Amino acid sequence: DAGITQSPRHKVTETGTPVTLRCHQTENHRYMYWYRQDPGHGLRLIHYSYGVKDTDKGEVSDGYSVSRSKTEDFLLTLESATSSQTSVYFCAISEYQGDGYTFGSGTRLTVV
Amino acid sequence: SQQGEEDPQALSIQEGENATMNCSYKTSINNLQWYRQNSGRGLVHLILIRSNEREKHSGRLRVTLDTSKKSSSLLITASRAADTASYFCATDEWVGGAQKLVFGQGTRLTINP
Repeated sequence: DAGITQSPRHKVTETGTPVTLRCHQTENHRYMYWYRQDPGHGLRLIHYSYGVKDTDKGEVSDGYSVSRSKTEDFLLTLESATSSQTSVYFCAISEYQGDGYTFGSGTRLTVV
Repeated sequence: SQQGEEDPQALSIQEGENATMNCSYKTSINNLQWYRQNSGRGLVHLILIRSNEREKHSGRLRVTLDTSKKSSSLLITASRAADTASYFCATDEWVGGAQKLVFGQGTRLTINP
């Protein structure tokens, strides 16, 4: 989607390895979010950011950490990947609270 | 927490017919949003309706909101094959001064030619 890119698009990793997913935006939006999407669970919020170095936990934050050192980048790290973290991960941005979100195209992560 | 729940889970109709999807939620909201997701893609924002609004239109989309029943509906008129997608409602949840969107599990819509 225009203005927001996620990398990588696909990744296969082994159990126990650390993994970092990147979300990059060119919209200069203040708010950034990481969701995971799983069958039967819909989208669930992992972490979100309301400014540089300002982050907070979402509904399913265990096993994940985030960092935002620049407005444009929001990194999601799986400290030690587990098979339960096999999912599709989406990043989203919004300019203001209460706005609609713009989503990235997602990262499909498989932990074997 | 899962606020919005869509109904039905799946809907299959003929091209040209209207499609109606419903969303119910549990707690009070400031706004409710609808998103579309094509297979293998990210979600696309369709429409936002605020708690003081009852109906909103955007092209072939019509959204209603009934805060007394804690429900919303999305109507797609004159459906097209390109409308085949999953549709999600999302409600805003405020925690510690921060607003987050909580998504339902979606309705999978199939438009048959």
